[in-house]
Amino acid sequence: SAVISQKPSRDICQRGTSLTIQCQVDSQVTMMFWYRQQPGQSLTLIATANQGSEATYESGFVIDKFPISRPNLTFSTLTVSNMSPEDSSIYLCSARPGLAGVRSGHEQFFGPGTRLTVL
Amino acid sequence: AQSVTQLDSHVSVSEGTPVLLRCNYSSSYSPSLFWYVQHPNKGLQLLLKYTSAATLVKGINGFEAEFKKSETSFHLTKPSAHMSDAAEYFCVVSDGSSNTGKLIFGQGTTLQVKP
Repeated sequence: SAVISQKPSRDICQRGTSLTIQCQVDSQVTMMFWYRQQPGQSLTLIATANQGSEATYESGFVIDKFPISRPNLTFSTLTVSNMSPEDSSIYLCSARPGLAGVRSGHEQFFGPGTRLTVL
Repeated sequence: AQSVTQLDSHVSVSEGTPVLLRCNYSSSYSPSLFWYVQHPNKGLQLLLKYTSAATLVKGINGFEAEFKKSETSFHLTKPSAHMSDAAEYFCVVSDGSSNTGKLIFGQGTTLQVKP
């Protein structure tokens, strides 16, 4: 398993500003993921972040709006840029345990989420 | 492409009665399936997983799920509900068609437990 922490746990931001969310894993992992959970909705994958390569974004999400860094095997950041009220959501990071590469059967472990409100 | 459908958006049971949360999946590959639980203002916790071993999977807190390929179902059950089970439950399939094995979430089922 993996224990994941996120900072900040919540924030209230003004329209047009940017917020960077940090995600720390207690062990080295190859694959990390960022999700968005809009109010009352399910989780939607924003991007997959592998260490040493560019993040892979899902349809509807772009790097200019959600730049991601993955500087090492235990850490990642997601920035929500030029925010609008529509960006108000919970943002969650997750990790697939271990360094064994892609195995589709492996579960992901999730951080507690960052609750973002944009005014 | 993989997808998952949770058949009930809201389920209400009385404490001590059985719980059934229904999930159907669609997959072109031999799927890996999961149930996650999200308590209010908390992150997601893995309840159980199916990865092509035993079709009846036991998880934490007395939950279990049965993989039925003929019915493309993976329903979550618990014999006796507890007040602490009130939460949002997500059925999830791993996308075997992608090279990342990304997870695809159902829309969620809200479980209400009445005293």
